[in-house]
Amino acid sequence: GDSVTQMEGPVTLSEEAFLTINCTYTATGYPSLFWYVQYPGEGLQLLLKATKADDKGSNKGFEATYRKETTSFHLEKGSVQVSDSAVYFCALSGWIQGAQKLVFGQGTRLTINP
Amino acid sequence: EAQVTQNPRYLITVTGKKLTVTCSQNMNHEYMSWYRQDPGLGLRQIYYSMNVEVTDKGDVPEGYKVSRKEKRNFPLILESPSPNQTSLYFCASSPPGLAGDTQYFGPGTRLTVL
Repeated sequence: GDSVTQMEGPVTLSEEAFLTINCTYTATGYPSLFWYVQYPGEGLQLLLKATKADDKGSNKGFEATYRKETTSFHLEKGSVQVSDSAVYFCALSGWIQGAQKLVFGQGTRLTINP
Repeated sequence: EAQVTQNPRYLITVTGKKLTVTCSQNMNHEYMSWYRQDPGLGLRQIYYSMNVEVTDKGDVPEGYKVSRKEKRNFPLILESPSPNQTSLYFCASSPPGLAGDTQYFGPGTRLTVL
């Protein structure tokens, strides 16, 4: 069935470091891909998305490119800030048991030190 | 303000004592869903609803019930809670036709079952 695999955390970086969080997926068909972010004590919110191969989603300095050939959607940011500390979830929209649903990865906790 | 609200935000209860977690959205969304979040497992879907009076099981429905009598409300019912239902619960909603697309999440309910 459809699934998402993220790099295991936690990830700890210094401020202004380069960030990559790996995400790969397995899906039938052509899913949309998403990154959601969960700040401490809050619910998830959409960070960025891409709906077809080679699309690049971007928001708040974060980017991810839908790579069909490698079934990947890695999240990147050139210079992270302390305020980026959060849990990041990769997700896809897929058809499962006759219904369209979001399937999430296990989440990656990111901590940025000043 | 467009939002998904959940109540209570925190709840400590004992095994077997029935409880309800409420969820309400003010965006006129047709699709609503409940997830539980556990460390290392990401978000797993409990139940979802495509519209009023239409509900269906997600990936982990055992021990839970839901109802959808009005479009805005989607309560989660635990008739006889057990310790393995200790978790962080999120309600989410999505616009019509976008059940697998951008979902809007509530702030979460942290449930502890003793």
